[in-house]
This record gives sequence, C-alpha cells and structure tokens, in this order.
Amino acid sequence: EVQLVESGGGLVQPGGSLRLSCAASGFTFSSYWMSWVRQAPGKGLEWVANIKQDGSEKYYVDSVKGRFTISRDNAKNSLYLQMNSLRAEDTAVYFCAREAYDNSGTSWYWYFDLWGRGTLVTVSS
Amino acid sequence: DIQMTQSPSSLSASVGDRVTITCRASQIISSSLNWYQQKPGRAPKLLIYAASNLQSGVPSRFSGSGSGTDFTLTISSLQPEDFATYYCQQSYSSPWTFGHGTKVEIK
Repeated sequence: EVQLVESGGGLVQPGGSLRLSCAASGFTFSSYWMSWVRQAPGKGLEWVANIKQDGSEKYYVDSVKGRFTISRDNAKNSLYLQMNSLRAEDTAVYFCAREAYDNSGTSWYWYFDLWGRGTLVTVSS
Repeated sequence: DIQMTQSPSSLSASVGDRVTITCRASQIISSSLNWYQQKPGRAPKLLIYAASNLQSGVPSRFSGSGSGTDFTLTISSLQPEDFATYYCQQSYSSPWTFGHGTKVEIK
C-alpha cells in the first residue's frame, strides 16, 4: 500500500527539541521531493520545509529557519524533521507529504499528491 | 512570499447545489495552483492540480479553472460527502503557500 506514516510527536516545553519521522512505503521514496506541512489547532495549512530527492537541496519557511532541519534517509525510506528551540506557535499537527509534478506542457507544476495522517506536536509548559 | 486569498471563508449549501470557491494570488502564478479537500481530523486530499487537472480517482463533479492570478474551484452538484474545508495552494515559487480555507457547510 502506498502510504506515509508520521511519528515522534508529543508534548514538549518551550525551548525544547523534538524529532519527527515519516516512514514511506509502497513507492520509490528516493524519486520524490518530500515536504513537511503543519496545521495549528483550528487553523489552516502551512508549508514548513522540503527536501530534494538526494538531500542536496532544502528549503524552509522563514518562521522555522535556523531552528528546524529537514533530512532524509533513502535507504530507510524515511523523512525527518529535527525541531529545536520550539515555541508555543509551533504547536500543530505535522504532516509529511509527497511532492509530485506535471511537466506535460512547457512548465513544471508541483503538487502534494500523498499525505500522511499527521502527528501532533504540543509546545507548552 | 505569494499571498493566497480565498473567498468566501465559509458557505452554506444544500445537496445538489452548484458551489464555486475562488482563490486569488498576490502575483501572477501561471497555472501553478492546486486545490485540496480536508475533513475534520483527516489529512488533506488533492482534488485539482495545475489549476484544471483532475486528480485520479476524484469525482468529475469537481473542476478547476483559471490562470494568472484568479482561480476557481467548482462543485457541480454538491454531495453529502463534499462537506469539508477546501484549500488552494500555489506552487509557483517557494515558499509554497496556502489560502486560509473555505468551509462548506450543510444548509
């Protein structure tokens, strides 16, 4: 079955750290860009970070730059998000998502075609 | 960053109604616009990619249109399972950004 399964969420104090994992199965993980997207309670979706197939390129939303690190292990079909210096505003469900693309025309069009169920991170004292 | 503005933020509709949701980008994004459906406690689900391409397995009552800055998601005949929140998302330039969502409720 094609799926993504996140783990590693939990309750952490402000200033603390947490490492999220995402296990991929049913597809060739090493062929895809991968992303983390989060959703604060009762709020909308926010893209957090993504990583190229071989890990050579990584991009982050400004609010997490210098605090979060995205990485992957293609041998283990796994995606990670190391979160340091956590703040209350980082409280959210964190989803991992696969980035697919369409280049049938003259441009490349990217989209999230596969999502995990998410893992809840709560930052509170 | 590119800002995505959805309207309305919520709407009430009846089964069988035609529903239209709009999304406006703060700058030209070509056709780099995707639509997702999310139900409470669930992950988002891709409906439309590249503005007008129906994702495999998605019912044909869903359609997307637009290019440049203005986009539309249309549900031609609303079904009970369509009551959910819908998000647009641009993939023209990083950081990828989402609209704030449109909640479709039962009238």
